[in-house]
Formats: sequence, structure tokens, C-alpha cells
Amino acid sequence: DGGITQSPKYLFRKEGQNVTLSCEQNLNHDAMYWYRQDPGQGLRLIYYSQIVNDFQKGDIAEGYSVSREKKESFPLTVTSAQKNPTAFYLCASSTLGPNEKLFFGSGTQLSVL
Amino acid sequence: AQSVAQPEDQVNVAEGNPLTVKCTYSVSGNPYLFWYVQYPNRGLQFLLKYITGDNLVKGSYGFEAEFNKSQTSFHLKKPSALVSDSALYFCAVRPSLNAGNNRKLIWGLGTSLAVNP
Repeated sequence: DGGITQSPKYLFRKEGQNVTLSCEQNLNHDAMYWYRQDPGQGLRLIYYSQIVNDFQKGDIAEGYSVSREKKESFPLTVTSAQKNPTAFYLCASSTLGPNEKLFFGSGTQLSVL
Repeated sequence: AQSVAQPEDQVNVAEGNPLTVKCTYSVSGNPYLFWYVQYPNRGLQFLLKYITGDNLVKGSYGFEAEFNKSQTSFHLKKPSALVSDSALYFCAVRPSLNAGNNRKLIWGLGTSLAVNP
């Protein structure tokens, strides 16, 4: 069954703690993305990657880090430098091309304890 | 600045009635236009897209959208709404100059659609 899997579904972070959100895809897509969704603010791009071992900052990368060691995997770490991490995090993937659409995971809700 | 506007935060319609969710945009060149739907606590799902050609685009679940270049609009429509259509709808636009790069997608803030039985 092809798709994108995000885990965990819910995550709680203590002050000063780094947490990592998992994103795995079996669609053989080259490009992967992390978005942050806050109520009433739509989607904001955190990081994206178009090829293994390469990634680029999006619009709100501060306080976040990523890696792309495998084509299938694009984990996001929310560091302690991110002072307002409570949000719904969405991972997406797509092929590379002019008209490609995004495929999204089911999201991870991150909350601060 | 390039932008996408969804002027209505919420749209309420009765089941069986037609629905319209509005989207207007301000981008350079000829844009690629997309609609996505998000059900509660889920990721987004692709509904339809306009690249070129016929201004009326048909998509998933009976939805369609009409591209109007002069009004720079891409309104989402459905002839007969279902309660199960209740969800959050996002319009997204990518300037054609950025073809092949989803990093340049510009998102609207979303419109919450409530279909009442």
C-alpha cells in the first residue's frame, strides 16, 4: 500500500528537549517537504529536499533541522531553539516535474508540556 | 508580493445545494493552480489542478474548478454538496516560472466548509 507514513501521531516535548518527527515514503518520490500548520495560518514550509543528501531551508527553518540520508526518509528535528513548537506538522512528497502534485502524510501534533 | 486569497474563512451550505469555495491570486506569469482538501486531524489530499487548456477542470469526489484569467480566480465548485464534504479546503498557486519546484507553492489560508444535513 503506497503512501507516506508519519509517526508518532501525537508528541509531547519538554522544555529544552529536542524531538524528532519521522516521515517515510514508499512512492519513490525524489522530493520531500516539511510543513507547519497553525490554526488560521495555512501551511508554512520548513524544509524541503529534492535529492538524497541535499536539503534547503524553507520559509520558517529556524529552530528546526532535517536529514535526507535515504530517498525514503526525511526526519524533522524540532530543537530547543524553537520557542513555539506547538503545531501540526505535515510531511509531503512529490515527483520532480512541472505539474506534480503533493502527497501528504497524516500529520504529527506536537505539544509542549 | 505574490499571494493567494481565500476570502471566506467559513462556508455553510445545506446538503444537496451547490457549493462554491473562492480563491483569487496575484502571481506573475501564467500560474499552475491547485486545490487540496483536509479532513480533521489528517493530511491534505489533492483534489484537482489547472495547468493549461479548458478553463473548467474536473477533479476527485465530484468537485470541479473554474479558472478565470481576467479575474485571476480559481473557484472550487460542486453541484450538490454532501455532509461528507465538510472539511478544510486549501487553494495553492505556483508561478509557471517555478515549474518543477513545489518549494514555490503559495498557499491560501484555507476555507472551512460545513455541509448541514
